[in-house]
Amino acid sequence: SYELTQPLSVSVALGQTARITCGGTNIGSKNVHWYQQKPGQAPLLVIYRDSSRPSGIPERFSGSNSGNTATLTISRAQAGDEADYYCQVWDSDFVIFGGGTKLTV
Amino acid sequence: QVQLQESGPGLVKPSETLSLTCTVSGGSISPYYWSWIRQPPGKGLEWIGYLDYRGTTDYNPSLKSRVTISVDTSRNQLSLKLTSVTAADTAMYYCARAAGPNWAYDYWGQGTLVTVSS
Repeated sequence: SYELTQPLSVSVALGQTARITCGGTNIGSKNVHWYQQKPGQAPLLVIYRDSSRPSGIPERFSGSNSGNTATLTISRAQAGDEADYYCQVWDSDFVIFGGGTKLTV
Repeated sequence: QVQLQESGPGLVKPSETLSLTCTVSGGSISPYYWSWIRQPPGKGLEWIGYLDYRGTTDYNPSLKSRVTISVDTSRNQLSLKLTSVTAADTAMYYCARAAGPNWAYDYWGQGTLVTVSS
């Protein structure tokens, strides 16, 4: 079965750029979606289809996907960005989530 | 604005059946894909399965023998049944909407915590 690999944790200084990776075999051929989850809250979609932002998500959030790695980039990181982040793909009608990355600002 | 609200018992005994409902307001069941997703305490997200607007379902292979997802379009409700539960099924259960296969989940319920314990 298809697997997505994320680092357990990423740290970033306030105002700097955070990059969270999501690895998977030939993930570049799939649509990757990213979710932010803060404690006690449901996940929130922040990037869909590799690099598109839903309405209301700041431009500081961006995404890319190529080869075996998709990346969520958070520019000018703020304290409010501290959360768990999950990548997600569909694989043969099944939905796969990455294990999640805790972002510390 | 579309809203999803999960409901059901917060406590289920081992070996019994977990039954949850997701009520959709502000929008229609059709033509979307509806999923149940769970999250054990302190752990990551696990996809349980989906049901599309035509009634087609697909389930996580690890849960397939115990899961049924169905829909009542007249009530705009999605339901989840998980049989023979154990403590490992203790989790926050979310319902979520996607526009179709390969699409993201753009709307999520707030989740409902289900604890499996005698």
